Amino acid sequence: GQQVMQIPQYQHVQEGEDFTTYCNSSTTLSNIQWYKQRPGGHPVFLIQLVKSGEVKKQKRLTFQFGEAKKNSSLHITATQTTDVGTYFCAGRASGTYKYIFGTGTRLKVLA
Amino acid sequence: KAGVTQTPRYLIKTRGQQVTLSCSPISGHRSVSWYQQTPGQGLQFLFEYFSETQRNKGNFPGRFSGRQFSNSRSEMNVSTLELGDSALYLCASGPGTGADGEQFFGPGTRLTVL
Repeated sequence: GQQVMQIPQYQHVQEGEDFTTYCNSSTTLSNIQWYKQRPGGHPVFLIQLVKSGEVKKQKRLTFQFGEAKKNSSLHITATQTTDVGTYFCAGRASGTYKYIFGTGTRLKVLA
Repeated sequence: KAGVTQTPRYLIKTRGQQVTLSCSPISGHRSVSWYQQTPGQGLQFLFEYFSETQRNKGNFPGRFSGRQFSNSRSEMNVSTLELGDSALYLCASGPGTGADGEQFFGPGTRLTVL
């Protein structure tokens, strides 16, 4: 079945450093979504990518969708303590209504 | 608009019992998905409903079932509880008829099976 792997599992960075998490799917995706979950909270939607090679930016966050629509990345520039949390990608295969979530990357930002 | 609500927020059950969890989506949303979140397995898809029809099901045993009512509220039921069913159960609602678009998650129901 469809699998979505995410690396790294954990990342500790100094405040001000950059951070990147990568997401790889075993199957071609129709679209991919990114979520952030703060400790003790629930996932909150960040963005959705649909087109092959798409790049979207939200302030310090840059999201990319691979040309083959099987991989994606999230890059945070100059991390802040408010960026702490777990970042999940969620991919949907064509013809389905279910999202398979990646394993998540837990980000810790040291002040 | 009120967000997605889930009840109860916390639940303690013993092995062999059954449990029903409830999810009220954002007003106007017709799609409801359920997920199980555990530290070891992450977020795993259980099922998705749209207009009272189950459109997709994850790889969970038949002990896990769900339904959606005409007002879009959804329930999931777990019968013959096992220790491994202890998890945070999240529901998410979506506004569209398709599967694209933001999913709005509720706060979850924390289920502990003793």
